[in-house]
Amino acid sequence: QKEVEQDPGPLSVPEGAIVSLNCTYSNSAFQYFMWYRQYSRKGPELLMYTYSSGNKEDGRFTAQVDKSSKYISLFIRDSQPSDSATYLCAIPSTSNDYKLSFGAGTTVTVRA
Amino acid sequence: DAGITQSPRHKVTETGTPVTLRCHQTENHRYMYWYRQDPGHGLRLIHYSYGVKDTDKGEVSDGYSVSRSKTEDFLLTLESATSSQTSVYFCATLAGEGTQYFGPGTRLLVL
Repeated sequence: QKEVEQDPGPLSVPEGAIVSLNCTYSNSAFQYFMWYRQYSRKGPELLMYTYSSGNKEDGRFTAQVDKSSKYISLFIRDSQPSDSATYLCAIPSTSNDYKLSFGAGTTVTVRA
Repeated sequence: DAGITQSPRHKVTETGTPVTLRCHQTENHRYMYWYRQDPGHGLRLIHYSYGVKDTDKGEVSDGYSVSRSKTEDFLLTLESATSSQTSVYFCATLAGEGTQYFGPGTRLLVL
């Protein structure tokens, strides 16, 4: 079983829509979770960092963790064409705190 | 880009030739990583380093070797390139609390 599984997409939404991205993970001991954004032909960049359970909001982005269900989500409100990118969830690896396990990524296209 | 550069940015090579990719960081981070990214597989760890001359294997290390002689430089070598190693390669560093920052990537095509 992979340490983290991500809904594969792709997603295509109209401008202004809410985008919902999801990942599930296998180890309930994880204490922090991350979302990365990757524009086409660029390196991934850290978008959101979330501790433990609950929500974290940053502008139009909200990261949500449900530890009881081992589920992490990223919501993008009022989506813009500039949000078109691949989004990857990341969790610490069970074998080494200094390694991350990444989801396969969900490609989002926001249509103007 | 968190002070990470990769060279070359693009490379085309032939099967059987050795290839070396370079990662350079300016932030003095202890940990450095090499990943490959392929459609449907996401980011997969090849090797990582936890200090000068200290390296360890990741999940897809076969056919790759690494070296780190200075804190700022981490080299990835494909001993004898194969078509299956055609990919986009990313270097990353560990900034703290599990957060990794990535370089711009190297696109490698093995013919």
